[in-house]
Amino acid sequence: SQQGEEDPQALSIQEGENATMNCSYKTSINNLQWYRQNSGRGLVHLILIRSNEREKHSGRLRVTLDTSKKSSSLLITASRAADTASYFCATISGNTPLVFGKGTRLSVIA
Amino acid sequence: AAGVIQSPRHLIKEKRETATLKCYPIPRHDTVYWYQQGPGQDPQFLISFYEKMQSDKGSIPDRFSAQQFSDYHSELNMSSLELGDSALYFCASSLRAQETQYFGPGTRLLVL
Repeated sequence: SQQGEEDPQALSIQEGENATMNCSYKTSINNLQWYRQNSGRGLVHLILIRSNEREKHSGRLRVTLDTSKKSSSLLITASRAADTASYFCATISGNTPLVFGKGTRLSVIA
Repeated sequence: AAGVIQSPRHLIKEKRETATLKCYPIPRHDTVYWYQQGPGQDPQFLISFYEKMQSDKGSIPDRFSAQQFSDYHSELNMSSLELGDSALYFCASSLRAQETQYFGPGTRLLVL
């Protein structure tokens, strides 16, 4: 069964704008990870946020986690054309492997 | 820094043939995972190994098997290939379970 569900499925913005992607999940988790994937390429790890953390930053990325709502958001500030990719959230519960959501396809228009 | 290595990067097979995909995890990582990603789909977990023992099993068909060797590299063996097996196959490794998984570049399998 699908654990993570990203919202929106597709997002198109202008370069320089901020992009926000949301992820909801169903069960309790140990941590939540965000990955980026360029078309047909490998998955690049962006950020891991643990269940006892509420917010994490990495460069232009900001991730929040609300365990009461079972949701997370990924904010990319000052987006660039090179940020165009699909973004997936993935959760880990117990010792189970990553369960991926369906991803948000982000297009940043120069 | 060393990354996860997968080979081959591309593979074309006929229906009912077999295929073997290889994965070399990041040095000192003790857990290896295999994922399958169909066109336009999210990655689906197939199987994982911890210290050379199978640790978890996902939606892996009975036609597929995998193992991890003494040097920690892993191989995914796929037999009686079907058209629907055409996908990207990713290997990932982590230092410990529940920690960050680092993905390889993937093997693109096309079954004709």
